Amino acid sequence: EDKVVQSPLSLVVHEGDTVTLNCSYEVTNFRSLLWYKQEKKAPTFLFMLTSSGIEKKSGRLSSILDKKELFSILNITATQTGDSAIYLCAVAYTSGTYKYIFGTGTRLKVLA
Amino acid sequence: EAQVTQNPRYLITVTGKKLTVTCSQNMNHEYMSWYRQDPGLGLRQIYYSMNVEVTDKGDVPEGYKVSRKEKRNFPLILESPSPNQTSLYFCASSLDGRLYSPLHFGNGTRLTVT
Repeated sequence: EDKVVQSPLSLVVHEGDTVTLNCSYEVTNFRSLLWYKQEKKAPTFLFMLTSSGIEKKSGRLSSILDKKELFSILNITATQTGDSAIYLCAVAYTSGTYKYIFGTGTRLKVLA
Repeated sequence: EAQVTQNPRYLITVTGKKLTVTCSQNMNHEYMSWYRQDPGLGLRQIYYSMNVEVTDKGDVPEGYKVSRKEKRNFPLILESPSPNQTSLYFCASSLDGRLYSPLHFGNGTRLTVT
């Protein structure tokens, strides 16, 4: 069964902490792995990863993919209250169909 | 501005009354898709479309219909809504049908069926 599993389910940290969010997957014909941030509305795109070992970075956020071990991590350094959100991991794959499958997300709360 | 537009944002209806949620994108994207988001279940795909006149079922297609007559529009139709279709719905699109580009989401439609 194709699936994407995120951990932890939720996380509470203080401003300035560094967090690591995990995403593991099992799909056939992997195309890409994507990270999204969802606040009270639509998910907004953060990163797309297609190759192992190449870090994508945007400000305090970074992500890397391991296609051998079938997982990705999203790091957030020097967290701020504005980072509080649900972080979603999705995998695009083809298995007779062309689909994106999502994990249930990690809920991050950053306390001032 | 490049965007995916869904309407309406909020909808309350009664069981059995047909409804349509519209979705339009202005980015000339090939791939469009509908998701529903429920607590504890995450985003689940309802239907997707690789291009005009090409649609296929996602993971939870029962009770829904779609059509793709034009590249920019991908409406979601509930012929006879039921309370278990109460959910938050998102339309999304991506540039190519080969899934090497990210999904861009609309702002969502919160549907309540009583």
